[in-house]
Amino acid sequence: EAQVTQNPRYLITVTGKKLTVTCSQNMNHEYMSWYRQDPGLGLRQIYYSMNVEVTDKGDVPEGYKVSRKEKRNFPLILESPSPNQTSLYFCASSSLTGHGYTFGSGTRLTVV
Amino acid sequence: GDSVTQMEGPVTLSEEAFLTINCTYTATGYPSLFWYVQYPGEGLQLLLKATKADDKGSNKGFEATYRKETTSFHLEKGSVQVSDSAVYFCALTHRDDKIIFGKGTRLHILP
Repeated sequence: EAQVTQNPRYLITVTGKKLTVTCSQNMNHEYMSWYRQDPGLGLRQIYYSMNVEVTDKGDVPEGYKVSRKEKRNFPLILESPSPNQTSLYFCASSSLTGHGYTFGSGTRLTVV
Repeated sequence: GDSVTQMEGPVTLSEEAFLTINCTYTATGYPSLFWYVQYPGEGLQLLLKATKADDKGSNKGFEATYRKETTSFHLEKGSVQVSDSAVYFCALTHRDDKIIFGKGTRLHILP
């Protein structure tokens, strides 16, 4: 089944403790992206990647890092999480052929 | 820059009612237009799309027509069901490499 898999689904952590949210897709998509979803603010893009070893900032990159060492994986790294990073995070991928994005099921992160 | 504006919710309807969720956009050129749906506790799923003017996208009884003259892509369904309760996002992209989303419209369908 074609899908984007994110882990974990839920995570509660403390301020300053480094964490990684994993994202993997099995569709051989070139493009991958991370979004955060907050009430009243909709979906905002954090980082994206056009292909292996090619990443770029989205609209809200501060406090996040990403890497794209393999085509299928695009982890999101929070080096020193803060409470304002409490949010619902989505990974998405695309083949860049006009068919839209495939989204993961989301990771709900709480930073206390 | 490009933007998408959709009607604010929540929208509450009775089962079998007619649904319209308005969406207008501002963009250069000829973007592709999408509707995504987010069911409770899940990620976004592509509902339908249209890639050029006058195209009609349709899926699961939902329809939307790409209107270049009014820069609109309104979502419609003739008879909604309780299972249609979700958040609906209108979106546009030029080359799939960056999607601009509206803020979403929450839909509640009452039995």
